[in-house]
Parts: sequence; C-alpha cells; structure tokens
Amino acid sequence: QSALTQPASVSGSPGQSITLSCTGTRSDVSDSDYVSWYQQHPGKAPKLIIYNVYNRPSGVSDRFSGSKSGNTASLTISGLQTEDEADYYCSSFTSTNTLVLGGGTKLTVL
Amino acid sequence: QVQLVESGGGVVQPGKSLRLACAASGNIFRGHGMLWVRQAPGKGLEWVALIWYDGSIQNYADSVKGRFTISRDDSKNTVYLQMNSLRVGDTAMYYCARDISFGAGSPWGQGTLVTVSS
Repeated sequence: QSALTQPASVSGSPGQSITLSCTGTRSDVSDSDYVSWYQQHPGKAPKLIIYNVYNRPSGVSDRFSGSKSGNTASLTISGLQTEDEADYYCSSFTSTNTLVLGGGTKLTVL
Repeated sequence: QVQLVESGGGVVQPGKSLRLACAASGNIFRGHGMLWVRQAPGKGLEWVALIWYDGSIQNYADSVKGRFTISRDDSKNTVYLQMNSLRVGDTAMYYCARDISFGAGSPWGQGTLVTVSS
C-alpha cells in the first residue's frame, strides 16, 4: 500500500490555471475508475471535489476538473482564486478493495 | 443536510484500546459504505479502514491490520472503529466519511483526536 505521489507544493497567480498531478501504479490509478480529489483548508475536514476521475459533487465549482492518463491522474483548477489556497489530496480505490491516498500538495495562490 | 459526528477520542497509553464512533444524522447509511481516515499532526491524510454498504467487506491499511476493527450498526446510524494495541504512531485526528463511490468520501465529520502517549 504505497502512497500515491503528489508534488509537495505548487503555486499560481489569481486567474491562472494550474494542474496538480497524482502518480500511482497499475494496481491503483492506472486500472481504477475510482480516483478522487479532496481539498483541505487549515484546521478543517477534507472536502470531496472530484470523484470517479471526472465527476464533480453537487455544489463544487466547475473551475475544478479531473482527468487521467495511464498511471497519472490530474486535477486542473481554472481561474485560480485566493480561496483555492489549500492542501489537495488524491485517492484511488485499488484492485484489492483498499484505498490509497497521496501525500498531498500545498497550493499557494500568490 | 447529511452530517457525521465522531466521538470517542482522547488520551490513551500505548497498548491500550479505544473505540471511536461516527454517528450520522438522517438515514445516510443505507446503500453506502463508510470510511475512516486519519491525519497525524502536521501530516497528510492516511486511509485506515472501510466497510461495505452491507457490512460484507471490511478492509484495512497494513499499518492497522490485526489491531483495528471497523463495524456498523445501521439501526443506530453509526459506524465504529475499535482500536486495540494502540501505538504512539496512531496519534492522529480520526475522520469518518460516507463512501459515495468506491472510496470517494463525502461528507466528512469534524474529526476526533486520538493521542497515544505514556
């Protein structure tokens, strides 16, 4: 159960688009239709923003979008806003019915 | 509005046990699995355990396998995490979440803090 690989930090300016990556293996991201992304602000519980690779829960801004290619999943945030500054985590359901999470990416909006 | 509330956290000595509970408002358990995820102070999220919508499957992270047990009582809208043989490394905020699709947790509770210390 190795953690998915995410960059430790990324930064962007308001209005920009940025893409966060999440790299796994054949037993998780590559062969899974069940990749999720979470946003976590300091001191708060995580919030689901993408599930099943592409889907957005009701109420989540359409500035957030998900995709996947091979063993790498991606979260794109368009029209970056200051309130997007947070930690972002990816997760993948695996071939053995377990869950694996990424180490998280700290997004700074400059 | 679906809401989850965790309870049962506290300070415990290494080797001791603790049982966490996650109570849901409304009838949200029917047809949904449940997750436990933890976060050590200043660290990232770590999946701990999941239970299938009907309780037929429970799975655990390698770090807790054999020590932790997840269970559910749909009549009480509650999921539990029995934690035995606790270690200092189990110190974390423990969150529960409803599984809406194979590991996609939403919503999450506010968390309950477990501190394992002598």
